[in-house]
Amino acid sequence: GAGVSQSPSNKVTEKGKDVELRCDPISGHTALYWYRQSLGQGLEFLIYFQGNSAPDKSGLPSDRFSAERTGGSVSTLTIQRTQQEDSAVYLCASRALAGMYNEQFFGPGTRLTVL
Amino acid sequence: QQQVKQSPQSLIVQKGGISIINCAYENTAFDYFPWYQQFPGKGPALLIAIRPDVSEKKEGRFTISFNKSAKQFSLHIMDSQPGDSATYFCAALNTGTASKLTFGTGTRLQVTL
Repeated sequence: GAGVSQSPSNKVTEKGKDVELRCDPISGHTALYWYRQSLGQGLEFLIYFQGNSAPDKSGLPSDRFSAERTGGSVSTLTIQRTQQEDSAVYLCASRALAGMYNEQFFGPGTRLTVL
Repeated sequence: QQQVKQSPQSLIVQKGGISIINCAYENTAFDYFPWYQQFPGKGPALLIAIRPDVSEKKEGRFTISFNKSAKQFSLHIMDSQPGDSATYFCAALNTGTASKLTFGTGTRLQVTL
């Protein structure tokens, strides 16, 4: 079956513009995560979805960042008024909820460059 | 606050050698410690993981050693191969929460011929 897919794979935008990043999780996976990978940094947790609700948004760096998930499937991460420090690879992961040790499967990421 | 510290930042090993990457954590609530392997342009993929009730786990050429009292764990890659050249991330999570992963900063491994 298909893995986690993300689009676009690359996004170049100008400072101040809004961007939307999309994640299609593995079918049937109820848990969905967004992480950010900056150059020289590890992966930083942003937000967690269980179904369509987000019980943990603690990693969102500012109110310019928001995310939603619809139909328990596709998720969109929106960054408003982008800044140069938002440049990073944004990774999405999904997990089947059954079993606390279940693996998180990552997508290939969206590389965001803010000029 | 870096909850999981990883070293070294980069590592060069000859083919057939042993690659060792170390991690240390602070949060004693962590109860699951996976290692991820990431190739350029790809997302991280789970390599091997350990729970704190065991001190060692081996899968093929990959071994995790875990020291609960020292809050440290390490990845050993035996008989390293050029195909192992990638970035490796240690991670930790508290399975009692949302199971969000806390990652180390990564180690770029290069295995030379």
